[in-house]
Amino acid sequence: GAGVSQSPSNKVTEKGKDVELRCDPISGHTALYWYRQSLGQGLEFLIYFQGNSAPDKSGLPSDRFSAERTGGSVSTLTIQRTQQEDSAVYLCASSLGSIGQPQHFGDGTRLSIL
Amino acid sequence: LAKTTQPISMDSYEGQEVNITCSHNNIATNDYITWYQQFPSQGPRFIIQGYKTKVTNEVASLFIPADRKSSTLSLPRVSLSDTAVYYCLRSGSARQLTFGSGTQLTVLP
Repeated sequence: GAGVSQSPSNKVTEKGKDVELRCDPISGHTALYWYRQSLGQGLEFLIYFQGNSAPDKSGLPSDRFSAERTGGSVSTLTIQRTQQEDSAVYLCASSLGSIGQPQHFGDGTRLSIL
Repeated sequence: LAKTTQPISMDSYEGQEVNITCSHNNIATNDYITWYQQFPSQGPRFIIQGYKTKVTNEVASLFIPADRKSSTLSLPRVSLSDTAVYYCLRSGSARQLTFGSGTQLTVLP
């Protein structure tokens, strides 16, 4: 596709369950980012992948959060043992080259924890 | 963690020029300043990026003074469809990649 694709667009799950969120970046973009946006708030950085380098995980809020990027393309964000405070929109972005390049965002996955 | 600071909200009327200023006092040498626009239920969309002085594209201008401690996004002749949240982002390292709360711009008829 032409843009960043995220799936699912909405996810409702029970507290304590694990969830996986998927991101398909723009083809050829070497950098991929995950953010979290709570209602009415700005975007909170979670994790950054650049090419084959080790990811920058400095924004992950707890060890229940993890992410992978396979083959330098698709990425999966996993949240284990979900808590109600994990409810938010999770946004993925990709960019060409280095971290300073403009980011192209998907429309996010709205996660609701019951 | 040093953050950017913007006004929470601004109102304008159609056809007016709107200037939104962002403060980033602790900007680092390798930081670029990037502005994004976000509509409800959508991801942010890139508007413009700069390092210093003035940058202009087909939708906006960006002014960054010599000390780079602030930047101003200028939207010429806004329309109702420009109603959105606008974020500035300093992007030199992953640890700076947190957007502030943004500026809610409301354009009135």
